[in-house]
Amino acid sequence: EVQLVESGGVLVQPGGSLRLSCAASGLTFSSYAMTWVRQAPGKGLEWVSGISGGDGSPYYTDSVKGRFTISRDNSESTLYLQMNSLRVEDTAVYYCAKASSSSCYSRIDYWGQGTQVTVSS
Amino acid sequence: DIVMTQSPDSLAVSLGERATINCKSSQSVLSSSNNKNYLAWYQQKPGQPPKLLIYWASTRESGVPDRFSGSGSGTDFTLTISTLQAEDVAVYYCQQYYRPPFTFGPGTRVDIK
Repeated sequence: EVQLVESGGVLVQPGGSLRLSCAASGLTFSSYAMTWVRQAPGKGLEWVSGISGGDGSPYYTDSVKGRFTISRDNSESTLYLQMNSLRVEDTAVYYCAKASSSSCYSRIDYWGQGTQVTVSS
Repeated sequence: DIVMTQSPDSLAVSLGERATINCKSSQSVLSSSNNKNYLAWYQQKPGQPPKLLIYWASTRESGVPDRFSGSGSGTDFTLTISTLQAEDVAVYYCQQYYRPPFTFGPGTRVDIK
């Protein structure tokens, strides 16, 4: 059974940094693209970033480009999201999610339970 | 970026009746190379992560009840719940995975009338 467990979400001040982790199990991690999706309080889903399973190509939504960095450690089956220059509007539940193939151009078929990131002074 | 819109924002349907949700993309998500629409539908219940229902616009995910169906092509898509059950109360999202960023629609809330 595929399991995705996020960690690292905390309360941080504007301008601060944070690294989220997602530990994956029950799958051949290196074979799949992985994604971060966030959901602000009471709002809809926002695709944030993805990384392919093959060459590790990263993709970002415009609002996080230059501030967030997605990476993966296939030997540890772990996905990361380094978040710098955090803004109040980055406050959200961050979901780790698995794509159905090694390409980011594929549906999301498994989701973690999410980790809460709160940016506030 | 491809902008996804959904209508209605919310709807209330009687148990056993049909619910229909529309999704529109600002650009076609139909690939000419494989003739597939890069469009998925997800269901999110309160306090839970989303769940995949439909992919390639009309292919039902394994284990999803057959009362859920998807249709459409190009820029216009529909999710239909043929006979609404109490457990279908949720927010439904469409997503395009044709071009990054892989944007979601704003969601449609489905309740029982």
